Amino acid sequence: DAGVTQSPTHLIKTRGQHVTLRCSPISGHKSVSWYQQVLGQGPQFIFQYYEKEERGRGNFPDRFSARQFPNYSSELNVNALLLGDSALYLCASSLVPGVNYGYTFGSGTRLTVV
Amino acid sequence: TQLLEQSPQFLSIQEGENLTVYCNSSSVFSSLQWYRQEPGEGPVLLVTVVTGGEVKKLKRLTFQFGDARKDSSLHITAAQPGDTGLYLCAGGEASGSRLTFGEGTQLTVNP
Repeated sequence: DAGVTQSPTHLIKTRGQHVTLRCSPISGHKSVSWYQQVLGQGPQFIFQYYEKEERGRGNFPDRFSARQFPNYSSELNVNALLLGDSALYLCASSLVPGVNYGYTFGSGTRLTVV
Repeated sequence: TQLLEQSPQFLSIQEGENLTVYCNSSSVFSSLQWYRQEPGEGPVLLVTVVTGGEVKKLKRLTFQFGDARKDSSLHITAAQPGDTGLYLCAGGEASGSRLTFGEGTQLTVNP
């Protein structure tokens, strides 16, 4: 069975540009969460979606947005990129929301903003 | 804002030694999870503990959740080079929508 799939794996963008990151959860998983991991730090929560509805949002500016599709895949969009947005963006899937069930993370998208 | 502090931040030991990593917070969490992350990969879940005082063992790894559900520890017995990686603790909220991660402990086990 395929795990959590993220694309692209690496991306280089210029300041001010827009980026779209994609995530396909494990088959049967209906909840997707996005995390940002800056080098040398632990992941920080950005969004959680369940059944196409936003269930939680972290302390990130409005430049960050996301959505979940009927097939439970998800996109994370970041507008007006800043140098500080350079990070590993992780997608995690679970059957349903609820951290007690444990999350399965993808390998991430490494975004570099120059 | 809930925060999790991990210590030590870096740990370099010889194969066969024992070690303990600590995860502390002033906040109560509904659950505590431990993950291991290797370079270029996402975190991989090792264990979830949900009951205060709970102890779980996974081969040479022992995880403990504090009685007050504010802290946790990970103990590795007879460390092996394959244990090398970034160990992350993460606290879960009752609402279930997010994990709060610590900054991680980078463990290096030298042969």
